[in-house]
Amino acid sequence: AQSVTQLGSHVSVSEGALVLLRCNYSSSVPPYLFWYVQYPNQGLQLLLKYTSAATLVKGINGFEAEFKKSETSFHLTKPSAHMSDAAEYFCAVANPFSGNTPLVFGKGTRLSVIA
Amino acid sequence: GAVVSQHPSRVICKSGTSVKIECRSLDFQATTMFWYRQFPKQSLMLMATSNEGSKATYEQGVEKDKFLINHASLTLSTLTVTSAHPEDSSFYICSARPLHRDTEAFFGQGTRLTVV
Repeated sequence: AQSVTQLGSHVSVSEGALVLLRCNYSSSVPPYLFWYVQYPNQGLQLLLKYTSAATLVKGINGFEAEFKKSETSFHLTKPSAHMSDAAEYFCAVANPFSGNTPLVFGKGTRLSVIA
Repeated sequence: GAVVSQHPSRVICKSGTSVKIECRSLDFQATTMFWYRQFPKQSLMLMATSNEGSKATYEQGVEKDKFLINHASLTLSTLTVTSAHPEDSSFYICSARPLHRDTEAFFGQGTRLTVV
């Protein structure tokens, strides 16, 4: 079984400040991990993914995440927040060995950016 | 990247009527698609897995007679909310994962259903 825990349902940062969104996972097999962003009334857009290659993954819009097996974490960071980063962020895990199965999502973290 | 198109993006219907939502994979084939429901300020709740050419698999607590799923081709899955009631009002999102490619999932734009 797989699960994802996102610490903090709401994170607020100042414009230009570091963004850190936390994600911890549980998986019985080496996982694939994803971060998605959702803007109001829209679907989900992939920010980045870890699929067992480099542990530091760079994504779109300046985001990156580091896979740490020892900590079972996949935290999302961005050095400098922009107002346009305000959105809902979801961490998700997939089992790479079970074929076409759905992703398991965390509860989401709402990011607010203060001017 | 791959594209999943969902239609309509927004629909308002009267209580007791049925609404059909379409989900199309535009540039890849998907033997399996997934339907989610999202309540305000909450995460995605998996409703069912749509399987091309066979019956859908529903998650526990989801009424299969209320939420009819048809996956008639490798690029199209439909969700029909039958005899809709105001409590069915929600944001519905479909997703598909291309076979033989990276294992990320692609999402439709979502459908905001309002039952009045």
